[in-house]
Amino acid sequence: AQTVTQSQPEMSVQEAETVTLSCTYDTSESNYYLFWYKQPPSRQMILVIRQEAYKQQNATENRFSVNFQKAAKSFSLKISDSQLGDTAMYFCAFMNTGNQFYFGTGTSLTVIP
Amino acid sequence: GAVVSQHPSRVICKSGTSVKIECRSLDFQATTMFWYRQFPKQSLMLMATSNEGSKATYEQGVEKDKFLINHASLTLSTLTVTSAHPEDSSFYICSARPPGSSGANVLTFGAGSRLTVL
Repeated sequence: AQTVTQSQPEMSVQEAETVTLSCTYDTSESNYYLFWYKQPPSRQMILVIRQEAYKQQNATENRFSVNFQKAAKSFSLKISDSQLGDTAMYFCAFMNTGNQFYFGTGTSLTVIP
Repeated sequence: GAVVSQHPSRVICKSGTSVKIECRSLDFQATTMFWYRQFPKQSLMLMATSNEGSKATYEQGVEKDKFLINHASLTLSTLTVTSAHPEDSSFYICSARPPGSSGANVLTFGAGSRLTVL
């Protein structure tokens, strides 16, 4: 079975600074997808960034980037130039070849003005 | 982009009554939709996979008779919480995968429905 672990229940960062959210996963599969979703106070889940496991290059999306370490089964999210609107719950997610999604327990990020 | 609409956003009901939540894909067809349940400050737990034209696939521990899922068309799935009790109070979220999502099967989520059972 696949598991996704987020070891940081809560984090905070000063506005304009950089923060990194951790995520590890466990799987025996070689091909899969990894995602970071954001859930602001509105509770709407929003895709932040995605990574295909077969790609070695780390995905980037504007201020968001990932550090994907396949051997270590690690998938951290880096948010640069943090903005107040980045305050939200962040969920790491794993999708296997059977198209099943597994979510981590989430990290609550607060951006401090 | 792909949009998933969920209705109602909030519902309050009396214990013992049934509540229906709708999930619609507005600009794409979804043969499969997913229903999640989220307790406060917790992660999303997959309840069931809704399949158009066939029976839903439920996760272990989810009562099929309590959480009825119907996927009658390619754009609509419904979740009915039957004989609701206070412990069914939760946030329910549906999702679907738009076709051709740039090579990665991205889930698009509805805005969620908060159910409160008195």
